[in-house]
Amino acid sequence: GESVGLHLPTLSVQEGDNSIINCAYSNSASDYFIWYKQESGKGPQFIIDIRSNMDKRQGQRVTVLLNKTVKHLSLQIAATQPGDSAVYFCAESANQGGKLIFGQGTELSVKP
Amino acid sequence: GAVVSQHPSWVICKSGTSVKIECRSLDFQATTMFWYRQFPKQSLMLMATSNEGSKATYEQGVEKDKFLINHASLTLSTLTVTSAHPEDSSFYICSARRAGGSGNEQFFGPGTRLTVL
Repeated sequence: GESVGLHLPTLSVQEGDNSIINCAYSNSASDYFIWYKQESGKGPQFIIDIRSNMDKRQGQRVTVLLNKTVKHLSLQIAATQPGDSAVYFCAESANQGGKLIFGQGTELSVKP
Repeated sequence: GAVVSQHPSWVICKSGTSVKIECRSLDFQATTMFWYRQFPKQSLMLMATSNEGSKATYEQGVEKDKFLINHASLTLSTLTVTSAHPEDSSFYICSARRAGGSGNEQFFGPGTRLTVL
């Protein structure tokens, strides 16, 4: 079903530490997943994506892990920087005309 | 490449008036555009899917007569909020899917902040 917006959970980390942001998705038919970063007052910015035939994908300082058994997605950010402070959303797609369903989001706060 | 713009970036209007928001793909053609609404501290909620040259497909619970969507060209979709009321105040975001690209690839605009007094 559709994700319903709730009060955002928050994650606070120290600069230089690694961050792990988690997401539970709802549709077992989803085959494509994306992580977005959204800064205040701006649109979502693509970070990394993964297809269901993979369980791990790495980018620059970011890694996405997919566990289809428990319908869980995570985003790992290495050496977190103050510029990483934002709200992070996962999104899933079951290829229904490309529709994306967004998760509730996590607000990441990086302390210098 | 793959830049999406929205205009205006913010708008304040009186209750009962209509407001039009434009979404443009600047450097690519978009067969499909999506409109989302986001309330403070909440996630993006898909409102409708807009296909060039055809009627938009609205998500359950979204009033099609209140949120008019037009996708007249491969680079422009518009969302008109008719007879706006304070509860329509929100952040409206569009995204565009590139013609001929991956079925899942979407590029997001910067959003439009609507405040209805």
